[in-house]
Amino acid sequence: EPEVTQTPSHQVTQMGQEVILRCVPISNHLYFYWYRQILGQKVEFLVSFYNNEISEKSEIFDDQFSVERPDGSNFTLKIRSTKLEDSAMYFCATGWWRDDGEQFFGPGTRLTVL
Amino acid sequence: KNQVEQSPQSLIILEGKNCTLQCNYTVSPFSNLRWYKQDTGRGPVSLTIMTFSENTKSNGRYTATLDADTKQSSLHITASQLSDSASYICVVSGGSQGNLIFGKGTKLSVKP
Repeated sequence: EPEVTQTPSHQVTQMGQEVILRCVPISNHLYFYWYRQILGQKVEFLVSFYNNEISEKSEIFDDQFSVERPDGSNFTLKIRSTKLEDSAMYFCATGWWRDDGEQFFGPGTRLTVL
Repeated sequence: KNQVEQSPQSLIILEGKNCTLQCNYTVSPFSNLRWYKQDTGRGPVSLTIMTFSENTKSNGRYTATLDADTKQSSLHITASQLSDSASYICVVSGGSQGNLIFGKGTKLSVKP
């Protein structure tokens, strides 16, 4: 059964460094999302992406964040200058229908900022 | 403010027993309501999606109900198994941006 994959599974970085989190969507999916989950808290929406552009973004998704599909398959989330409070689990999700359709989540990347 | 509240926060039951998890939401406009299962350290996995017009939906031993008038939903798990131990998250699609609004989840532990 096709699934969303994410790399790396765990990323440790120093505060101020740039990180890129990668996601490989299910092949026929058109809608892509990033969510984050700080330890012990609920999952929060970051951004949605469709037709090679951002559809929606939350207040969390500030200028330090960016997303792209550089090669038509991978979907990436870049954090330009990481802060301690960026430490969280980051989930990629993809779907073939619009935002209110089913979304399939990847296993997540645990980001630890020291 | 768009919110999804779940109860209880945590629950311990014996293997083979049934349980019911609750979800209340204040999300407008409303598109659909989902229940997800999230194992520790893993991504959420969809169990059910219900639209405004559906008031019950089953997926194996999981049965979700929706009362759109009172803005309440429940997830009933029948004949629990050890593998049901996980967090169960109620998620509403809607709000002004149409994205997903998550509850904090109910952490279910099934003991032998």
